[in-house]
Amino acid sequence: QQKVQQSPESLTVSEGAMASLNCTFSDRSSDNFRWYRQHSGKGLEVLVSIFSDGEKEEGSFTAHLNRASLHVFLHIREPQPSDSALYLCAVSSNTGYQNFYFGKGTSLTVIP
Amino acid sequence: NAGVIQTPRHKVTGKGQEATLWCEPISGHSAVFWYRQTIVQGLEFLTYFRNQAPIDDSGMPKERFSAQMPNQSHSTLKIQSTQPQDSAVYLCASSLEWDYTGNAGNTLYFGEGSRLIVV
Repeated sequence: QQKVQQSPESLTVSEGAMASLNCTFSDRSSDNFRWYRQHSGKGLEVLVSIFSDGEKEEGSFTAHLNRASLHVFLHIREPQPSDSALYLCAVSSNTGYQNFYFGKGTSLTVIP
Repeated sequence: NAGVIQTPRHKVTGKGQEATLWCEPISGHSAVFWYRQTIVQGLEFLTYFRNQAPIDDSGMPKERFSAQMPNQSHSTLKIQSTQPQDSAVYLCASSLEWDYTGNAGNTLYFGEGSRLIVV
């Protein structure tokens, strides 16, 4: 079964400084990845999807996938205090349908 | 588009009581997923419906948990004889497509969750 781990568990950055989050997965054949954000007490909001090695940018969010090293990164450019939230990595296993496995998340705090 | 709607948002039950959680997926979406979220375990997959048919319930505790999707506009998750360890946020998600397409068509869209507290 797919194992998804995220690091760091928590991260504090100053407003405007780049934030970088890491996600590792276990199944090298995975090719469908999502980064989600969850504000406290809210549902998950999809930020960026990536399907092949390289980078995918959506606004201030950039996902970087390297399947050989089993890593997918999320970089947040010029984060604002409103970006403070739990960030979750989701990885699919191709079992014939989309069943995503999630990491436990990185709690990001952006201080003014 | 109202998004995925979950009710109730909060529920407190006594140990041994039954809890039913409701989910209304996004109109036109063919797949519905249920997840459970706790601090310790993170997001855990529970079960999945495709065009209302149950496909995979491998994440469901074998006893006390059941899920149904009687029509395309709602799904329910029922927990019988609730225990304190069932306390969690239960999240429902839907996606436009159900098959493995390798594209954004199967992005999961989540509701805000139902927070269940068993005392």
